Amino acid sequence: DAGVIQSPRHEVTEMGQEVTLRCKPISGHDYLFWYRQTMMRGLELLIYFNNNVPIDDSGMPEDRFSAKMPNASFSTLKIQPSEPRDSAVYFCASASGGTNTGELFFGEGSRLTVL
Amino acid sequence: KQEVTQIPAALSVPEGENLVLNCSFTDSAIYNLQWFRQDPGKGLTSLLLIQSSQREQTSGRLNASLDKSSGRSTLYIAASQPGDSATYLCAVKQGAQKLVFGQGTRLTINP
Repeated sequence: DAGVIQSPRHEVTEMGQEVTLRCKPISGHDYLFWYRQTMMRGLELLIYFNNNVPIDDSGMPEDRFSAKMPNASFSTLKIQPSEPRDSAVYFCASASGGTNTGELFFGEGSRLTVL
Repeated sequence: KQEVTQIPAALSVPEGENLVLNCSFTDSAIYNLQWFRQDPGKGLTSLLLIQSSQREQTSGRLNASLDKSSGRSTLYIAASQPGDSATYLCAVKQGAQKLVFGQGTRLTINP
């Protein structure tokens, strides 16, 4: 398997622009997670899905952030409008069912810079 | 609220040494604990996963232990190599599928 695939790897945009990050989880995994990593706050869980359904979005910082999972093999994280403080590395991760005991697999991340 | 702490934040040792990385957590009600490796500009690679009912897991030169009652885990790296240089993160899983991460230990192995 190719692992968790994220795109783009790098994104530089200007404040106010819309940003869309994409993720393809490992085939057969039914849990998908979006994390954000910054130097100041480390890794933070933004939202996670089970069987394409959002389960917990309490980590989404504000209404400018939204995430969707239209099918089992694709998810997006959208920021609109973007702000400089959104600059971070955004990771997607997936896991198999029974994930209280399951292992989490991460993508390479999307490094976002908002000018 | 679960808090995960990794000390030290950075560690530099000569090649060939055995070393231990530490992870502590405040709430012992966990499902599992996972150790990850992160190379600069890369994602997280899972190294070892210890279920709450287990005491340790081994993979090659790596050995991770878990003591739930004291809220501690250690990652032991034997015969360290320059390729082991990376940031090592531990994370504990509690209810609601959430992983709580430590801030990581940045490890440098000097040739």
